[in-house]
This record gives sequence, C-alpha cells and structure tokens, in this order.
Amino acid sequence: GENVEQHPSTLSVQEGDSAVIKCTYSDSASNYFPWYKQELGKRPQLIIDIRSNVGEKKDQRIAVTLNKTAKHFSLHITETQPEDSAVYFCAALGYGQNFVFGPGTRLSVLP
Amino acid sequence: KAGVTQTPRYLIKTRGQQVTLSCSPISGHRSVSWYQQTPGQGLQFLFEYFSETQRNKGNFPGRFSGRQFSNSRSEMNVSTLELGDSALYLCASSLVGGVAYNEQFFGPGTRLTVL
Repeated sequence: GENVEQHPSTLSVQEGDSAVIKCTYSDSASNYFPWYKQELGKRPQLIIDIRSNVGEKKDQRIAVTLNKTAKHFSLHITETQPEDSAVYFCAALGYGQNFVFGPGTRLSVLP
Repeated sequence: KAGVTQTPRYLIKTRGQQVTLSCSPISGHRSVSWYQQTPGQGLQFLFEYFSETQRNKGNFPGRFSGRQFSNSRSEMNVSTLELGDSALYLCASSLVGGVAYNEQFFGPGTRLTVL
C-alpha cells in the first residue's frame, strides 16, 4: 500500500522568511496530493492541492510542486506570518483508494 | 451549508467498555472516512464508507467497526477499549471520495480518553 513520509517534523522560521515542507510517496499510481493545515485545537483544513498531471500550483503565498519521477511533492510558504503557525499534513490518494497522510510538520513562525 | 458534525465531542471511558461515535456529513456528501489522530502518529485511516458500503479499510483490529446509514450519517464503534485507543477521532466527508479534487471536509473530532 501507499506510504507517505514527511520532513521535517518541526520547522521554525522567522516571520517574513520562507518555509518548505517535503513529502515522498511510494505508490506511483497515486494521482492527487492535498495539503492540510491544522491549527491547535481545530480540524484539518485543505489549503492547496495538486493533481499528478500538473507540476506546480500556486495560490497567493503558498505553492505546491510535484515531481512524479522522484515521487515527491513539496509545500512552499513565502513571506510567512504568525498565523501560518500550525501543523501541516501532506496526503496522497490513488483512484478509488483512501487518503494516506504524512505524519505532519509543526511549523512555528517566530516574530 | 452546514459543515461536518461529530458527536459527542468528548468522551471518557474505562478499559473494556465499548463506545459509539457519530458523524453527520455535509448534505449531499456520500463518502465518509474515519481517522484516528494521536500525537506523533498523524492521521491514521480507519475506514471509508460510501453509499452504506465499506469501501476501504485501514490496518486496525476488528474491535474497530463502522457503518453508514441511508442518509450518509456514519457511526464508528470501538469494543473492548484499551488505553491505547485514547485519541482524537476525526471523520471527513466528500462528495464521492477516492477521486482527485474531491475535497475532504473534516469534522471537529471526538476526543476519546480511556482510563
């Protein structure tokens, strides 16, 4: 079955700097890769996603890149703000399968 | 449109007891997935129901079971509770599930504590 690894497990950046979180997946049949943000005490919420036929997608300060050959995808957050502090989860999905989540990255944006 | 709701929000049980958690998906959503979230373990997939049928199942013991009703509401049952079952149980609904861009919307979760 699918296995998703995520690095780093914790990340601290200064406000205004960029943050990058990387995930690798094992099943080449996976074709959809969402990223979720979970603030303390709240439910996970989708922030951006990408399909396997696209190499990059951007939405304001966040972007996701996908390398199908290497089976890895990354979340990029630019101009980080304190409200970006949260746990971020990547996930992979194959057609008709269930989502497999990475273990999460705790991002702290320091003022 | 109302979001995904879960009841109860908090639950305290003792070892050996059983528990039933409930999830009401967004209206029109037919897929409901359940996850166990523990510190350091991320979101572990339990099972997914679609149109009252279990479509996918994770690697959890048979003590964990679920079902889905005709209105898409879903219940999860854990029998013979163990201390290690203490966790946040999240459900998520989507229109059909298993398809790209079929966003999952999470409920607030049920915090289960086993003493």
